[in-house]
Amino acid sequence: GAGVSQSPSNKVTEKGKDVELRCDPISGHTALYWYRQSLGQGLEFLIYFQGNSAPDKSGLPSDRFSAERTGGSVSTLTIQRTQQEDSAVYLCASKLAGGGDTQYFGPGTRLTVL
Amino acid sequence: SQQGEEDPQALSIQEGENATMNCSYKTSINNLQWYRQNSGRGLVHLILIRSNEREKHSGRLRVTLDTSKKSSSLLITASRAADTASYFCATSNQAGTALIFGKGTTLSVSS
Repeated sequence: GAGVSQSPSNKVTEKGKDVELRCDPISGHTALYWYRQSLGQGLEFLIYFQGNSAPDKSGLPSDRFSAERTGGSVSTLTIQRTQQEDSAVYLCASKLAGGGDTQYFGPGTRLTVL
Repeated sequence: SQQGEEDPQALSIQEGENATMNCSYKTSINNLQWYRQNSGRGLVHLILIRSNEREKHSGRLRVTLDTSKKSSSLLITASRAADTASYFCATSNQAGTALIFGKGTTLSVSS
């Protein structure tokens, strides 16, 4: 079946603008994760959704970052008032509940804030 | 802070040679995974080793785990140019809600 998809693949924005990044998980995967990968920080966890449970937002770096998951499927990561340090590759992953710890990653969105 | 730390940071070898990457972690684990990343994009799961396992094989991959030393190694045998990528080890956070990755080893295999 289809893997995790993310859009856009690349996004260039100006400092101060808001951006929305989208993730379509693998069908039937109830767990969804967002990670950020930047040169200085490596791969960092941002947020985790599992079914209808309250999301684990402990990795969000500031209140400018938010994410939602509608209908238990598609997720949107929103960054408000973008800063240059937000430039990174944003990766989404999903997995089956009870499917062990292996996560399936999308190709990522490369965000560049000018 | 990062849970897993790989070394070396970069490794350059010739096709046909073996490549060994090491990973250390800090807390107790249920399992440890290795992922591969091409060109800074999506990660692909390679192999998972459970805490009660010491060694696991998958094709040309061999993973070892030493829980007493909190370390793991990934060996790629008979490397190919197509193995050129970054390799990351990952463990689960305490809540089990996310993976914590090391900084990765960048492997370059030249033909």
